[in-house]
Amino acid sequence: AQSVTQLGSHVSVSEGALVLLRCNYSSSVPPYLFWYVQYPNQGLQLLLKYTTGATLVKGINGFEAEFKKSETSFHLTKPSAHMSDAAEYFCAVGRGSGGYNKLIFGAGTRLAVHP
Amino acid sequence: DVKVTQSSRYLVKRTGEKVFLECVQDMDHENMFWYRQDPGLGLRLIYFSYDVKMKEKGDIPEGYSVSREKKERFSLILESASTNQTSMYLCASSPTGTGGNQPQHFGDGTRLSIL
Repeated sequence: AQSVTQLGSHVSVSEGALVLLRCNYSSSVPPYLFWYVQYPNQGLQLLLKYTTGATLVKGINGFEAEFKKSETSFHLTKPSAHMSDAAEYFCAVGRGSGGYNKLIFGAGTRLAVHP
Repeated sequence: DVKVTQSSRYLVKRTGEKVFLECVQDMDHENMFWYRQDPGLGLRLIYFSYDVKMKEKGDIPEGYSVSREKKERFSLILESASTNQTSMYLCASSPTGTGGNQPQHFGDGTRLSIL
């Protein structure tokens, strides 16, 4: 069965510093992986996705993630944090068979950016 | 852009009431989902639907039911609301995929309080 673990429920960085949000997954089949961002009082917005092909995936707002099969990881990074990046971030893995397209979400990591 | 619209952003109801949460998507997606989101628990799947009049239980279906009479609309019903159903409810839609390879698109959520 698939599962997702996000290490660190809260991460705090300075503006301009590197952002690193960690995600590890377990899956018995080649995984489909996603990162979503949630701003206060809003729904989830897709940041990026890995389905097949290149293991380094670029997303919106300067974020990227690297799929590492040997480490079962899909960590999210951004070279330089901006105040507007403060939000909650969710990693998700696709699950199930058929066309149902269900996802399993991690518990989330809240990113704080301070001046 | 995909648009998923939830009928209410905030809702306050009383214990024992029958509560309807409505969701509409405009991209002709086959799959629709209802989640609840609670701090530290991430998103938990309540029910999903893969076609009109078709539904499947998710991970936490107890106390909820759903209805999908038209492809674009998916309703979540709390048959007899209880205080432990106070939560943020998120609706999502996605096209048919394989093993979860398609992202889900989310509405802005309904924050439901049961008094």
